[in-house]
Amino acid sequence: KQEVTQIPAALSVPEGENLVLNCSFTDSAIYNLQWFRQDPGKGLTSLLLIQSSQREQTSGRLNASLDKSSGRSTLYIAASQPGDSATYLCAVLGGSYIPTFGRGTSLIVHP
Amino acid sequence: EPEVTQTPSHQVTQMGQEVILRCVPISNHLYFYWYRQILGQKVEFLVSFYNNEISEKSEIFDDQFSVERPDGSNFTLKIRSTKLEDSAMYFCASSGQGIAETQYFGPGTRLLVL
Repeated sequence: KQEVTQIPAALSVPEGENLVLNCSFTDSAIYNLQWFRQDPGKGLTSLLLIQSSQREQTSGRLNASLDKSSGRSTLYIAASQPGDSATYLCAVLGGSYIPTFGRGTSLIVHP
Repeated sequence: EPEVTQTPSHQVTQMGQEVILRCVPISNHLYFYWYRQILGQKVEFLVSFYNNEISEKSEIFDDQFSVERPDGSNFTLKIRSTKLEDSAMYFCASSGQGIAETQYFGPGTRLLVL
């Protein structure tokens, strides 16, 4: 059974810092990995999707990498801003086509 | 920009009652999903739906749950006899032409079972 772990569980940083959020998964037989942002009491917003054949994806200040063989993905946020404050979730789509989510990293960026 | 919508945003019901949660996926999407998130817990997959039938379902999706696409736009989740532990946020999502494509989530329905 796929297990997804996100480290750290919470992070509080001053504005302007570059951040790395980690996601690890136990079964490397995945189709893709998706990073989401969730604001309190709201739905999930897709940030980046990495297919299993890809190594990384970039969107603006966000860069996500995938190392399928070691079961790891990182989300890099450059020059963090207070508006980046949210919970960041990773989800892997495994061989059963059932997505498995991590618990998320709760990020606070203070001015 | 197209988005997934869900109604109602909040629903309060008595234990044992039936509830229907509604979703309108993005119009040209072919794959539809329901997830739930119990307060403070992970997002959990319930079911995926394609070509008018269930593609995959989790252990959570037992006989109390059913899904339907009653017309060309709506996608519904029915809980036949709600339990206290069904209280959660329920999210609908859709993706385009393939199950491994980006999933777009709705804002959720917060269900409270008393």
